[in-house]
Amino acid sequence: IQLTQSPSSLSASVGDRVSITCRASQGISTYLAWYQQKPGEAPRLLIYSASTLQSGVPSRFSGSGSGTDFTLTISSLQPEDFATYYCQQLDSYPYTFGQGTRLEI
Amino acid sequence: QVQLRQSGPELVKPSGTLSLNCTVSGFSITTGFFWGWIRQSPGKGLEWIGSINHDRGTFYNPSLRGRVTISIDTSRDQFSLHLTSLTAADTAVYYCARDSRWSQSYYMDVWGQGTTVTVSS
Repeated sequence: IQLTQSPSSLSASVGDRVSITCRASQGISTYLAWYQQKPGEAPRLLIYSASTLQSGVPSRFSGSGSGTDFTLTISSLQPEDFATYYCQQLDSYPYTFGQGTRLEI
Repeated sequence: QVQLRQSGPELVKPSGTLSLNCTVSGFSITTGFFWGWIRQSPGKGLEWIGSINHDRGTFYNPSLRGRVTISIDTSRDQFSLHLTSLTAADTAVYYCARDSRWSQSYYMDVWGQGTTVTVSS
């Protein structure tokens, strides 16, 4: 299953509301997770089951979608949110990731 | 607090074998979760390598099948990756992670620190 994220990169400012989309090549129900990765660090789980916020993740992060189209939204960007974001499908093997969206100031 | 600590070489020779270990602390490796390996290279992004559960089996990415083995040592709360016939294309950062599958909630929620592996003579 291929995952296509858009945009590949995004420039935004502190306080902005931004959305990143992830499209699957076939239906995956809600078996989708979102991760944040900063340089030199491992990915960090933000959202699972398309819309469930992982414990400890700020509520400004939210996810939506099912089937083939998914969205990650950050309601009000904070300085620490500038990073790369990846979606991952866990509906079927092999698990696959999107190519990433780099969020820049 | 669950932690995953990776160990293993950072430089391996072409045609050789990569062996990495991931030690789980703060949690028993036999408590129902899967345990996985993922790698990240500039050319291919994030790639799931495979996952293992101590009594539900092992699943591999077909792109690596034949070269990859994941094993588990429950006495040490440790799982391992072995990748053979290495080429430069296997140069990547390798991560271990807890692979959680409960009801309809699947995700990888705890990650190791990553090991930068370079395949070079």
